[in-house]
This record gives sequence, structure tokens and C-alpha cells, in this order.
Amino acid sequence: EVQLVQSGAEVKKPGESLRISCKSSGYRFSTRWINWVRQMPGRGLEWMGRIDPSDSYTKFSPSLEGHVTISADSSTGTVYLQWSSLEASDTAMYYCASLYCTNGICFDYWGQGTLVTVSS
Amino acid sequence: EIVLTQSPDTLSLSLGERATLSCRASQSLSSNYLAWFQQKPGQAPRLLIYGVSTRATGIPDRFSGSGSGADFTLAINRLEPGDFAVYYCQQYGSSWTFGQGTKVEIK
Repeated sequence: EVQLVQSGAEVKKPGESLRISCKSSGYRFSTRWINWVRQMPGRGLEWMGRIDPSDSYTKFSPSLEGHVTISADSSTGTVYLQWSSLEASDTAMYYCASLYCTNGICFDYWGQGTLVTVSS
Repeated sequence: EIVLTQSPDTLSLSLGERATLSCRASQSLSSNYLAWFQQKPGQAPRLLIYGVSTRATGIPDRFSGSGSGADFTLAINRLEPGDFAVYYCQQYGSSWTFGQGTKVEIK
């Protein structure tokens, strides 16, 4: 069974750094891109970026590029989303997700979400 | 960057009615990589439709997707209590974009 399990909720202050994780299981890690999706309180879904774990190639939403980094650790099957300096506007629920299509059939997999609260 | 615009923002309907949700792209999606997701409060989104019109595993045939080019539609027949949620269209491929969402609420 494919699973994406995210790290727990975080409370941080503006300017602090943070790394949240998404641990995959049930499939070969290198074969599926992992995306990060942000959902600010009361708002819609926003794609942040994704990583190809086979070569760690990343692609970001133009509006977020440079503010976050995405990395992967193939030894543990874990993808990370990282901030070097949080802002209050980073307060949101963050989901890791994969949309895997094979032989014309697509499957979606989502983590349970990580709530990040940034407040002074 | 492709922008997806959904309409209406909110749809107020009664049980048993039909819902019609629209999604318009800022440019033609030549690859037909258009999906629809359902999200209920406190839950992660769930894939309903991919490739414009193919239902995901376990999705009842009351849900149907259609469209081409830059205009797409999600129809939900005979609304049931569990259908009242927020629906997002999404284009997928090397990057993703979501529409802003349409809330289907009970009238």
C-alpha cells in the first residue's frame, strides 16, 4: 500500500528556519514525483513545487521560487520542504502529494498534511 | 504559467439536484491533463476525474467530466449528502496549477 506520512504540526516565529518531511512507503521511491501543495487558512490549494526523486530535479511555482527548497533523501524515502526564514504568511497547511499515471490509469496519493503556524 | 478560473465560486443546490461546475484555462491544454479533486473540511483532496473525463478508482458514475481545449466541466448528478464539498480543477504534467475552487453547498 502506497503511503505518504508527513511530520507533525509546527509553531515557529518569523525569521526562524523550518524543515517538514514526507516519508513514502509501498513503492519504489525513485519512480514518482512528489509535489508540495499549500493551503492557507480558509483558502484554496496552491501548488508550490515538486521533486523527481530519481535525480532530485526540482521545479517551483514562479511565485514561490527562492522562498522554499525541496529535497529528497533516497536512503529513507523522504522528501523535505524547507524554509530558511519563515514569514507570518507561511502559516498554512502543507500537503505532499503524488499523481501517478501508468498504462492510462492515474492514482493520487496525499500525505495527511502538516500545519505550520508562524507567529511572533 | 497556466491560470485556471473556476465558476461559480459557490453553488447552492438541494439533494438530488445536478451540479455543473466550470473550469476555464488561460490557454489550451493540448495534453488533456485536466483533473478534478474534491476536498471536504479537515481532509486532504481526493482525485475524482483525470484526463478530462476518466473517473478515478471508486468514483461513482454520478460524477462526469467533459470539455476540451480551454473549457472544462464537472457534472455531479443526483447530489448526495457526501457531495457537498469544495471542488478544484487542476492541470497536471511537469507542473501543477489549481483553480480557486467551487464550493457546493446545501440550499
